[in-house]
Amino acid sequence: GQSLEQPSEVTAVEGAIVQINCTYQTSGFYGLSWYQQHDGGAPTFLSYNALDGLEETGRFSSFLSRSDSYGYLLLQELQMKDSASYFCAVRAAGRDDKIIFGKGTRLHILP
Amino acid sequence: DVKVTQSSRYLVKRTGEKVFLECVQDMDHENMFWYRQDPGLGLRLIYFSYDVKMKEKGDIPEGYSVSREKKERFSLILESASTNQTSMYLCASSSNTKVGEKLFFGSGTQLSVL
Repeated sequence: GQSLEQPSEVTAVEGAIVQINCTYQTSGFYGLSWYQQHDGGAPTFLSYNALDGLEETGRFSSFLSRSDSYGYLLLQELQMKDSASYFCAVRAAGRDDKIIFGKGTRLHILP
Repeated sequence: DVKVTQSSRYLVKRTGEKVFLECVQDMDHENMFWYRQDPGLGLRLIYFSYDVKMKEKGDIPEGYSVSREKKERFSLILESASTNQTSMYLCASSSNTKVGEKLFFGSGTQLSVL
């Protein structure tokens, strides 16, 4: 089967750095994606990693280690508007090629 | 601008009713998906389609069916709605590439089955 594990909640202080981890188990693997969802809103795409290493997009970075089946999302210079849920997702290579999401990490930011 | 439109934001139905949730995308995307989102359970894949008239079961297809007669439209059907199908339903689409998969989501339909 396929599964993704991420913490249910993370709390950080405004202006700080926070890391949200994701471990995955799939029969095949194309890449790891991250999505952000604010309360009442739709998930929006943040980043995608197909190869090992760090991808940076402004204040957000995403890392992947294929050998460890592990990735993380790094948010720097946290702002109150970053309070949201963050989901990792994988497209598993195989007959079905499904895109599966983790259960999400709720990020709380304290002033 | 990319757009995925779901026909209703809120829907209230009675147990046993047949329910249609419609999703239309204007990006000429090959791939379309239906997820349901419940607190603490994340997004769970119900059905997906990588081409017109093609459909594949996701992780929780029981009690649902889908229709994709045209490329831009993907419908989710609850044959006989039950209270455990009360949920937020999210439609998504993506272009046909296996690299850099990026899903575009609709605003969701909050379905309540009474």
